[in-house]
Amino acid sequence: KAGVTQTPRYLIKTRGQQVTLSCSPISGHRSVSWYQQTPGQGLQFLFEYFSETQRNKGNFPGRFSGRQFSNSRSEMNVSTLELGDSALYLCASSLDRGPHNEQFFGPGTRLTVL
Amino acid sequence: AQSVTQLGSHVSVSEGALVLLRCNYSSSVPPYLFWYVQYPNQGLQLLLKYTSAATLVKGINGFEAEFKKSETSFHLTKPSAHMSDAAEYFCAVSDGTGGFKTIFGAGTRLFVKA
Repeated sequence: KAGVTQTPRYLIKTRGQQVTLSCSPISGHRSVSWYQQTPGQGLQFLFEYFSETQRNKGNFPGRFSGRQFSNSRSEMNVSTLELGDSALYLCASSLDRGPHNEQFFGPGTRLTVL
Repeated sequence: AQSVTQLGSHVSVSEGALVLLRCNYSSSVPPYLFWYVQYPNQGLQLLLKYTSAATLVKGINGFEAEFKKSETSFHLTKPSAHMSDAAEYFCAVSDGTGGFKTIFGAGTRLFVKA
């Protein structure tokens, strides 16, 4: 079974631009979560999607948004990029919702904002 | 609210020595606990998870963790460190509160000396 894939793997943008990141979950997985990872803040939860609906949201400004499609693929968008948005963005999928479900992570998209 | 604390942002051991990575959690209900490992430039990978079936949980690559309710701990151990164990390790808790969010610790980077 193919793992979680994320595209692109690397991205360089300038301040003020917007960016869209893509995540394809493991086949059959219905829940997709997004995390931001930085050296200073660690792993921070952005949001979770299940059945095309956002179920959970972390403490991030409205510039961060996402969506999930009917095939469970997900995208996240960051508008008006700031230098502090430079990070590794990780997508994780799980079979279903529920606290017992382990998450399967993609390799991440490394975003650099200049 | 659930939370997790990893004691020690960096741990250094010699090859062949015992590995002990500490994790304490806080949860108002019986939790599910996870340990993930992240190798450089990769996403997180599940090492093991506690789901209340047994307090001693065995994972991949020779790692195990023991759930101690009285101490609210879930420390990760490996009897003999190998150079390939050098990575960052994350403890995580999920208990169904907070909308099924999984909360990750800040991570512990393990260094293995030859």
